[in-house]
Amino acid sequence: GEDVEQSLFLSVREGDSSVINCTYTDSSSTYLYWYKQEPGAGLQLLTYIFSNMDMKQDQRLTVLLNKKDKHLSLRIADTQTGDSAIYFCAEKNYNQGGKLIFGQGTELSVKP
Amino acid sequence: ETGVTQSPTHLIKTRGQQVTLRCSSQSGHNTVSWYQQALGQGPQFIFQYYREEENGRGNFPPRFSGLQFPNYSSELNVNALELDDSALYLCASSLGQGGDEQYFGPGTRLTVT
Repeated sequence: GEDVEQSLFLSVREGDSSVINCTYTDSSSTYLYWYKQEPGAGLQLLTYIFSNMDMKQDQRLTVLLNKKDKHLSLRIADTQTGDSAIYFCAEKNYNQGGKLIFGQGTELSVKP
Repeated sequence: ETGVTQSPTHLIKTRGQQVTLRCSSQSGHNTVSWYQQALGQGPQFIFQYYREEENGRGNFPPRFSGLQFPNYSSELNVNALELDDSALYLCASSLGQGGDEQYFGPGTRLTVT
């Protein structure tokens, strides 16, 4: 079946690292994505990783993928107050075209 | 800015009415997907259009329908609106049927009373 799960809330101090976790069930997933949504806005594509990769780094963002455990994480280094938002994990399976399956979102709160 | 635009920004309709939402894709993108995001939830896939043909559909009833035009802009139509249709409707454009990168518009907030 298709299911993506995330913890609902994360609170960190400004300057600390944030780690947002996600688990998925579809072992045929080909791409895994992280999107950011600020209040009242659409989704901003942050980064994505192909299923044959273990890690991808892009400036302050590091994505780790454990295919065996179907676990994906997003680490944000030196978290800033502007990083406060809801972060969505999503999976895509090529067998189902471009359909993205989203988790429920993790609300990140960054305290000064 | 993704280059994906949606209109209108907000809309209030009455139960039983019909609504049309519009999306303009990022330049060069030939695929559009529509998602429904209820309050506090992740987006749910409605359907996708590739080169004016429906290319996949989620678990939504037939009263949700769509169109994609030759210029790759798109419409989402919802008939016989129900209270549970109140949500943020997002469109995403990408290149190709399995486009690796889907870029989302700002969404249309639909309220059904």
